[in-house]
Amino acid sequence: GQNIDQPTEMTATEGAIVQINCTYQTSGFNGLFWYQQHAGEAPTFLSYNVLDGLEEKGRFSSFLSRSKGYSYLLLKELQMKDSASYLCAVRESGYSTLTFGKGTMLLVSP
Amino acid sequence: DSGVTQTPKHLITATGQRVTLRCSPRSGDLSVYWYQQSLDQGLQFLIQYYNGEERAKGNILERFSAQQFPDLHSELNLSSLELGDSALYFCASSGGTSITKNIQYFGAGTRLSVL
Repeated sequence: GQNIDQPTEMTATEGAIVQINCTYQTSGFNGLFWYQQHAGEAPTFLSYNVLDGLEEKGRFSSFLSRSKGYSYLLLKELQMKDSASYLCAVRESGYSTLTFGKGTMLLVSP
Repeated sequence: DSGVTQTPKHLITATGQRVTLRCSPRSGDLSVYWYQQSLDQGLQFLIQYYNGEERAKGNILERFSAQQFPDLHSELNLSSLELGDSALYFCASSGGTSITKNIQYFGAGTRLSVL
């Protein structure tokens, strides 16, 4: 089985930088995903890490440490439209299914 | 637009009834996944199909069933509905041969309200 933890809520100011952490425990790791979900809408893919290190994609970056069971999503130059829930998901070895954390609700204020 | 199509967008029904949700995956994707999302539970994996065959099962109730057809579209059948089944139901697909083959792309979801 898997256990995924991420903060329930975070707040930040427009133009700032925010880091959303995710820790996980799994019997066999085969990738970590971050999705963004606006209320009532579909989750949309942001990033995918399978090796240790930082993956950068525009204003969003994601980091993975497999030995620590830890990832973070870094959002730079925050915009109001970044207010959403951010979901961390883990794929276990031998499977293509994902187990999602409960999500971190990010509120960006002016 | 993710390329995954779900119908209907909204469904309102009564307890004890049966409904069918439909999903068409992205072109070329062989895997279809069904998820349930309620306010208190987050996104819960229900079941996966790959090229017509059941591949993995998650927290799917016995009252729920799914299938994937030869044209790769999938249907999720929910029967003997209870108030607690009210939720957003998402379908996702993955596959192909590109570097994105491991990524699941989600449809817009079906909002089910059981009254």
